[in-house]
Amino acid sequence: TQLLEQSPQFLSIQEGENLTVYCNSSSVFSSLQWYRQEPGEGPVLLVTVVTGGEVKKLKRLTFQFGDARKDSSLHITAAQPGDTGLYLCAGDGRRTGTDKLIFGTGTRLQVFP
Amino acid sequence: DVKVTQSSRYLVKRTGEKVFLECVQDMDHENMFWYRQDPGLGLRLIYFSYDVKMKEKGDIPEGYSVSREKKERFSLILESASTNQTSMYLCASSSPYGGGYEQYFGPGTRLTVT
Repeated sequence: TQLLEQSPQFLSIQEGENLTVYCNSSSVFSSLQWYRQEPGEGPVLLVTVVTGGEVKKLKRLTFQFGDARKDSSLHITAAQPGDTGLYLCAGDGRRTGTDKLIFGTGTRLQVFP
Repeated sequence: DVKVTQSSRYLVKRTGEKVFLECVQDMDHENMFWYRQDPGLGLRLIYFSYDVKMKEKGDIPEGYSVSREKKERFSLILESASTNQTSMYLCASSSPYGGGYEQYFGPGTRLTVT
């Protein structure tokens, strides 16, 4: 069974702090997506990383795909209350024989003003 | 922008009722998915479809069925609702083309079975 474990599970920080969320697996993925989900809404795609070692930036968010394509990280600089939500990573399992997305366990972020 | 819509945001049904959840996407995507999301269990795939009239079981298909008569529409059916099907149901669509495998989600239907 392919698993994507995210850490930490919960994170409560003050506005202006930096944070990093990790997404780890023993499986290799063709690509990896990051989503943010606000309460009562569906997940919204933030970014896709495809190449091992790739780094993508989305304003204050920096996403990195591990060299071996087994892990990823999301770093937020100077967090804002609007960053509050559930962050999900999801791996594309085509390299391991499945067409399905494998979702991580999620990191719930709360940013206080 | 990809738009995925779901027929209801909130739904309350009684045990034993037949429940239909509808999902429509407007981006001509081939793939459509139904998930349920529960605290502590994350997103779990119920059924998915790669084409019209085609369906594949996901990880937790028991108690559910699906229908895809048109490319843009994917319906989830609870034949006889039970209280353990109380959950947030999320529909998603994707295209298999391009460099990634991104899924686009609807806003979700929060179903309560009493």
